[in-house]
Amino acid sequence: KAGVTQTPRYLIKTRGQQVTLSCSPISGHRSVSWYQQTPGQGLQFLFEYFSETQRNKGNFPGRFSGRQFSNSRSEMNVSTLELGDSALYLCASSLAGAGEGTQYFGPGTRLLVL
Amino acid sequence: AQSVSQHNHHVILSEAASLELGCNYSYGGTVNLFWYVQYPGQHLQLLLKYFSGDPLVKGIKGFEAEFIKSKFSFNLRKPSVQWSDTAEYFCAVQTGANNLFFGTGTRLTVIP
Repeated sequence: KAGVTQTPRYLIKTRGQQVTLSCSPISGHRSVSWYQQTPGQGLQFLFEYFSETQRNKGNFPGRFSGRQFSNSRSEMNVSTLELGDSALYLCASSLAGAGEGTQYFGPGTRLLVL
Repeated sequence: AQSVSQHNHHVILSEAASLELGCNYSYGGTVNLFWYVQYPGQHLQLLLKYFSGDPLVKGIKGFEAEFIKSKFSFNLRKPSVQWSDTAEYFCAVQTGANNLFFGTGTRLTVIP
């Protein structure tokens, strides 16, 4: 079974721009979660989507948004980029149930904001 | 709010030494517990997990972890490390929702 895939793998943007990251979960997985990983803050939860609905949200500003499609693929969007948004963005998928899903991570998209 | 503490930021061991990485969490309810590993240049991989039952769980590559509920701990152990175990190790807690709360990670360097 193919793992979680994320595109693009690397991205360079400038302040004020917006960016869209894509994640394809493991086949059959309906939950997709997004995390931000930085050296200073570690791994922080952004949001989770299940059946095209945001089921859970972390403590990030509204510039960070996402969506999920009927095939469970998910996209994450960051608008009005700031230097501090430079990070590794990880996507994780799990089968379904809230609080009972082992999450499997993709390789991440490394975003650099200049 | 939930929090996860990993006490060791960087651990340096010689090959064949024993390893124990500490993880404590703060949450009063039922939790699922995980250890993930991130090898250099690779993505986060699941090492082992605890949902319920036997508090001593075994994972891949000879790793094991023990859940001690009274201490809110889930320490990772390996009796004899190898150079290939050099990586960053993350403890994570899952509560009623699906998201994970991660510790800050422990970097392990194994010297051949």
